[in-house]
Order: sequence, then structure tokens, then C-alpha cells
Amino acid sequence: QVQLQESGPGLVQPSETLSLTCSVSGDSIRGGDYSWAWIRHTPGRGLQWIGSIWAGGSTYYNPALESRVTMSVDSSKNQFSLRMNSVTAADTAVYFCAKAAWRLTLICPFPFWGPGILVTVSS
Amino acid sequence: DIQLTQSPSFLSASVGAKVTITCRASQNIFNYLAWYQYKPGRAPNLLIYSASTLQTGVPSRFSGSGSGTEFTLTIASLQPEDFATYYCQQLNSFPPITFGQGTRLELK
Repeated sequence: QVQLQESGPGLVQPSETLSLTCSVSGDSIRGGDYSWAWIRHTPGRGLQWIGSIWAGGSTYYNPALESRVTMSVDSSKNQFSLRMNSVTAADTAVYFCAKAAWRLTLICPFPFWGPGILVTVSS
Repeated sequence: DIQLTQSPSFLSASVGAKVTITCRASQNIFNYLAWYQYKPGRAPNLLIYSASTLQTGVPSRFSGSGSGTEFTLTIASLQPEDFATYYCQQLNSFPPITFGQGTRLELK
């Protein structure tokens, strides 16, 4: 059974860059045809998809966030990462990494999630 | 973008009650819809996909129906652990992947 775990700073200064890593166990990012995603949750806005990445490194971002977001994958470490620059208080959220349910498609549900990490943007 | 509108936004009910949550899509999404349960401090839990297919391990008191632009999630007999926030997700078009705004289900 795949397991995902987010890691990174819980506090980021306004205008700085948020950096998170998702470590995957029980599955190989490199070995499959599944996409991997970052999704965040705030009480006011609910769930928001940030972006998805394939093992080969192709990325797809939410147009609302695309100008500030970069995702990358390190198959040798079985990890993928998120960077979001120029953060504001509105980026305060619980950030989740997730694995897609279906092979070879980006449009699918997410049955596997990490426990989430709260990132607060504040000085 | 496909917009998803859930109703109600807030629902108060008692243990044992039957509840229904509605998700309306801004355009036809056929049966490409999923439902999640979310509790603070925990990962979202996939309940249903393809509008009506129960995810493995999800109790049978949960059911989904609908197609086109109107979908429902029904909980047949509420249990104490069901009080949470529920989200729908469209699986029809990309980008972006979109979710409804959520329905908070609280104990009456």
C-alpha cells in the first residue's frame, strides 16, 4: 500500500518561497504510469488542486497559481516537490500530496493522500 | 473551468438520520464525479467515484447518484464518525481539477 508524507517548513515569511517535499513509500514513482499531485485545503476555500506531475517530469498547474508554482520529481529518492513563490497570507493552508487513482490520465480521483502539513504564511 | 456548487453549505442532522448533499456542475460532466469526506487534521477520504461507484472499504450507507449536471451523495443512516465536511470533484475536464466548495455536516 502506497504511503505519502509531506515535509517542509511550517512557517514561511510573506513574499518568500514555500518549499515542500512529498516522500513516497510502498510504491515507485518511476515505475508506474500514475500522476502525483499537490492539493491544499483552507477552511474558507476548501480543497484546491495546485498541480500534477508525471514521473518523467511533465507538469500541469492550476492556471490560478501557475505563475508562482513549480513542481519537480526526484525518482532516485522517490520524492516529488512543490515550490510556490511570492506567498501571502492567502497561501496559509494544509498542503497535501496525493497519488492518482488511474494510470495514464490526469483527470481522476485521489484515493491516496499524505497526512498533510500546515503551512502558515506570517512574519 | 467547470464550476461545482454544493448545497447546502451547512447541514445539521442527528445520528441515524438520512441526509442528501447535492453537487451541481456548470456544464455536462456525464458521470465524471467523485465525493470525498474531510475531517480536520486528516487526509481527505475518497468515498465515491464515477458518480456512483463506492470506493473499496467505504461503508455501504454511503451512496452516490446522478449524471450530467446534478449529483447527490446520500448517507442512509448517519453514524457519529460521519460528521465531517464533504466535497465533490469533477473528473471531466482539465486543467484545472476542481472541487465543490464543501458541505459541512454537523451533529444536531
